[in-house]
Amino acid sequence: AQSVAQPEDQVNVAEGNPLTVKCTYSVSGNPYLFWYVQYPNRGLQFLLKYITGDNLVKGSYGFEAEFNKSQTSFHLKKPSALVSDSALYFCAVRDPNYGGSQGNLIFGKGTKLSVKP
Amino acid sequence: GAVVSQHPSRVICKSGTSVKIECRSLDFQATTMFWYRQFPKQSLMLMATSNEGSKATYEQGVEKDKFLINHASLTLSTLTVTSAHPEDSSFYICSARGAGTSDNSPLHFGNGTRLTVT
Repeated sequence: AQSVAQPEDQVNVAEGNPLTVKCTYSVSGNPYLFWYVQYPNRGLQFLLKYITGDNLVKGSYGFEAEFNKSQTSFHLKKPSALVSDSALYFCAVRDPNYGGSQGNLIFGKGTKLSVKP
Repeated sequence: GAVVSQHPSRVICKSGTSVKIECRSLDFQATTMFWYRQFPKQSLMLMATSNEGSKATYEQGVEKDKFLINHASLTLSTLTVTSAHPEDSSFYICSARGAGTSDNSPLHFGNGTRLTVT
């Protein structure tokens, strides 16, 4: 079965420092991986995705993520955090070989990122 | 970019009444829409997948007679919570995938609806 794990409920970072939000996945085939961000009482916004190709994927707002097949990880990173990055971050996976809901993503439980000035 | 409008953003209703939530794709045609429910400090739980012009596909454990989904056009899907009870209080989010896009295309999300049943 497909699954996504975000081992940290919360990540605290000082503004200007690099940040990492962790994500590991479990799928039977080659995964499609996504990161979304959610601000309070709002829907999710797409940040970036990995489908194939370069393992380092660059996305919106200066975020990037590195696909590591051997470690089945897709950690989200940013070299220099901003206070405005504070939000809830969701990792999601889709196994293209899985016959589940059409195009549905399986989401991790989310990691709250708090960036302090 | 693709915009999904979800309305209302907040609704308070009395127990036993029904509430309708609308999800509209404003600048694209959405052949597939997804409805999620999000509990506090938890992830999104897929409730159902709806395709324009056909019956919605509900996830296991979701009562289709309780959560009525209609996807009558390529730009509108509605979720009606019938005979709402306090335990139905939650944050409901819709998302949409544009016509002609692949399964690895990002989903476009509405801003969610905070339902409170008193």
